[in-house]
Amino acid sequence: DSGVTQTPKHLITATGQRVTLRCSPRSGDLSVYWYQQSLDQGLQFLIQYYNGEERAKGNILERFSAQQFPDLHSELNLSSLELGDSALYFCASSLASADTGELFFGEGSRLTVL
Amino acid sequence: GESVGLHLPTLSVQEGDNSIINCAYSNSASDYFIWYKQESGKGPQFIIDIRSNMDKRQGQRVTVLLNKTVKHLSLQIAATQPGDSAVYFCDRSRDMRFGAGTRLTVKP
Repeated sequence: DSGVTQTPKHLITATGQRVTLRCSPRSGDLSVYWYQQSLDQGLQFLIQYYNGEERAKGNILERFSAQQFPDLHSELNLSSLELGDSALYFCASSLASADTGELFFGEGSRLTVL
Repeated sequence: GESVGLHLPTLSVQEGDNSIINCAYSNSASDYFIWYKQESGKGPQFIIDIRSNMDKRQGQRVTVLLNKTVKHLSLQIAATQPGDSAVYFCDRSRDMRFGAGTRLTVKP
């Protein structure tokens, strides 16, 4: 158990809809990262937050947005969903925003868009 | 541009044999590398890390070798077990661009 909690574990929705994925980082971790993993693909970095502020941005679509709240949990919002958005979405956390140190990953939220 | 790539998408080994998973990088400014293991249906898990001032680091049954001259990183798993079957990713200095990974399959 990494200490990172993601909900929901599974989500099935239709094209055009909007969903919110939630992540609770490990206790004490200030940084939260979001990744997308399509079937048999690598991890695609989406965005990072540190202590409530956006720290780094990857290949995140404009239809997607995220935020980190004062209690440090984070939400990833996916809107105008397309079939290609079906993927595993992982959240990871770390203590700091430094360039070293491991990331602790949650078990992921599996999104299926029909 | 910067990239972290893996030489082979799949690797199949016999149980008990040693496994070597390779990773290449292009940015010589890298100073820190991490290997992650992702089992089916789970999130990636940290295996081992290495800083660029080191050539080798050993963990439990795993060794990471760093060759800065050719910008190459390898993960060696000794006496590979069925539980080692997973996808392995390398990450450069929290670059967060993991690449596709190498899928290791251990045959009994």
